[in-house]
Amino acid sequence: DIVMTQSPDSLAVSLGERATINCKSSQNIFFSSNNRNYLAWYQQIPGRPPKLLIYWAFTRESGVPDRFSGSGSGTDFTLTISSLQAEDVAVYYCQQYYSSPFTFGQGTRLEI
Amino acid sequence: EVQLVESGGGLVNPGGSLRLSCVASGFTFTNAWMSWVRQAPGKGLEWVGRIKSKRDGGTTDYAAPVKDRFIISRDDSKNTLYVQMYTLKTEDTAVYYCTTWALAPDIGGIDYWGQGSLVTVSS
Repeated sequence: DIVMTQSPDSLAVSLGERATINCKSSQNIFFSSNNRNYLAWYQQIPGRPPKLLIYWAFTRESGVPDRFSGSGSGTDFTLTISSLQAEDVAVYYCQQYYSSPFTFGQGTRLEI
Repeated sequence: EVQLVESGGGLVNPGGSLRLSCVASGFTFTNAWMSWVRQAPGKGLEWVGRIKSKRDGGTTDYAAPVKDRFIISRDDSKNTLYVQMYTLKTEDTAVYYCTTWALAPDIGGIDYWGQGSLVTVSS
């Protein structure tokens, strides 16, 4: 199984500042035949189901503000929130969908 | 609008069985790959399993902790996804989310989530 490890486990950032969350996979999740990394990021606001933010490592889902961006390739990935807003307080998860079981990271709690 | 509505959760004794249902609307269910994801109280997300559309073979994949105890199925005539859970353990206590799997063209991952159904395994 591919193990996804996020860092840090929690993060406190001031409003308007940059937040960076890392995700490392235990195996390469880049598929060379289509030049894609099989990595998604989700946001879960307390009491609500998760929401897809980014897929293929850096493609923003429709409606997601452009302050959210994804980067990385192979085994190391990053979610960046360029200017933190109050509504971004949530837990963020990465997930690999390269191979079953489609494992999640343990989550990163983002606070102000 | 895509909607996924789970039902069937509740309290069950260890060793017991339970079936969750998820009624889907707002998209062509027959063509959709679907999955279940669970979240234990205060914990992170855990992928449970996935079922492909019948036109893509209708096959299933499961996470190791539930393999051989859970069965995911679908009734396309009712736009409904199921997970039949057997030999339940206390560690199966969680909110179970019904999800689509890459429903939109060229998307990757889980694009729509239901509100979840709580399963509590306790004596």
